[in-house]
Amino acid sequence: GAGVSQSPSNKVTEKGKDVELRCDPISGHTALYWYRQSLGQGLEFLIYFQGNSAPDKSGLPSDRFSAERTGGSVSTLTIQRTQQEDSAVYLCASSLNRVGEKLFFGSGTQLSVL
Amino acid sequence: AQSVTQLDSQVPVFEEAPVELRCNYSSSVSVYLFWYVQYPNQGLQLLLKYLSGSTLVKGINGFEAEFNKSQTSFHLRKPSVHISDTAEYFCAVRFNNAGNMLTFGGGTRLMVKP
Repeated sequence: GAGVSQSPSNKVTEKGKDVELRCDPISGHTALYWYRQSLGQGLEFLIYFQGNSAPDKSGLPSDRFSAERTGGSVSTLTIQRTQQEDSAVYLCASSLNRVGEKLFFGSGTQLSVL
Repeated sequence: AQSVTQLDSQVPVFEEAPVELRCNYSSSVSVYLFWYVQYPNQGLQLLLKYLSGSTLVKGINGFEAEFNKSQTSFHLRKPSVHISDTAEYFCAVRFNNAGNMLTFGGGTRLMVKP
């Protein structure tokens, strides 16, 4: 596709369930980021993938959060045993691997944990 | 921890008035600076960026920003706003000792009134 695609656009789940969020970056973009946007807050960095390098996981808030990027393209963010404080918009972005290159953002997944 | 601060969470302004959205960051290391905009029901998109060179940077839609190293600021300005400028504006900083992580401010909601 022409842009970064995220699915689902909305996800409602019960506390304690696991969820998977998907991101399909722009073709050819080697860098992929996950951010979380909570109501009234800025964007919180979660994880960054660059090519075949080990991901930068420094932003993951707990060990319930994990992410994979298969074949250097599609990425999934998994949240295990969801909690109400996980409710937020999860944004994926991709970019070329050049200094200062702009990020292209997807429309996000609105996660609601009841 | 390095941080980005947008002091104003909301800025109401009348159409055709000038506006300044403030952004300060915490570190004295070299940085790359960005402003992103999120229009209602749309994804984030790049407004402008500073990588090097002239400290006054011009972006899309008549916006500009000035990098002030001594004050560690990167304020966004527009001399005359339009209703269509109503959006959430995010300042973002790539600190050059923090890998490829882009740190975002909390956002400023610009509300342009007729």
